Amino acid sequence: QKEVEQNSGPLSVPEGAIASLNCTYSDRVSQSFFWYRQYSGKSPELIMSIYSNGDKEDGRFTAQLNKASQYVSLLIRDSQPSDSATYLCAVNNNAGNMLTFGGGTRLMVKP
Amino acid sequence: EPEVTQTPSHQVTQMGQEVILRCVPISNHLYFYWYRQILGQKVEFLVSFYNNEISEKSEIFDDQFSVERPDGSNFTLKIRSTKLEDSAMYFCANMLGQRKYNEQFFGPGTRLTVL
Repeated sequence: QKEVEQNSGPLSVPEGAIASLNCTYSDRVSQSFFWYRQYSGKSPELIMSIYSNGDKEDGRFTAQLNKASQYVSLLIRDSQPSDSATYLCAVNNNAGNMLTFGGGTRLMVKP
Repeated sequence: EPEVTQTPSHQVTQMGQEVILRCVPISNHLYFYWYRQILGQKVEFLVSFYNNEISEKSEIFDDQFSVERPDGSNFTLKIRSTKLEDSAMYFCANMLGQRKYNEQFFGPGTRLTVL
């Protein structure tokens, strides 16, 4: 059974701070890792993908992957109130395959 | 930028009725998926579709569910006899298909309410 685990939160950070979101996965053959942002009542929006160990930066977002520890994280720098949403971690083990989602972490950025 | 579209945005139906949810994928994408999300719960995979056939399906996708691409563009999910527990958001997703870019893009979803 493939599992993706996230702390449900809420994670509350002040505006301008760094938000750190974490995710662990159980399937060692997982190859692709994704972070989606989901606003209440809306669909998941892809914000980051990562395939190799290490860091990947895109604007204010940095994804970190450690396959040995089966751990993925997302850092959001200079957090803004508009970043307040649920962040979903998703993994798959091959292109074309299903995504397995975590339950999401609710982030609240306070002005 | 091309987007996945879904219709209707909200469908209300009586238990036992058939519903068809529709998705218009991004035109050059090759892989199609249906996911659902029951209120307050995880996004769950239902089925994937490639080259006009199902490539993978979950335990949720039982005989009451079917998918097809009737006209080469629209991608549909049919639930033959809806149950109360089918009430959820249903998301269509697409993937371009090139191995390096296996990112899945989600449509806005259809909220299905079964009474």
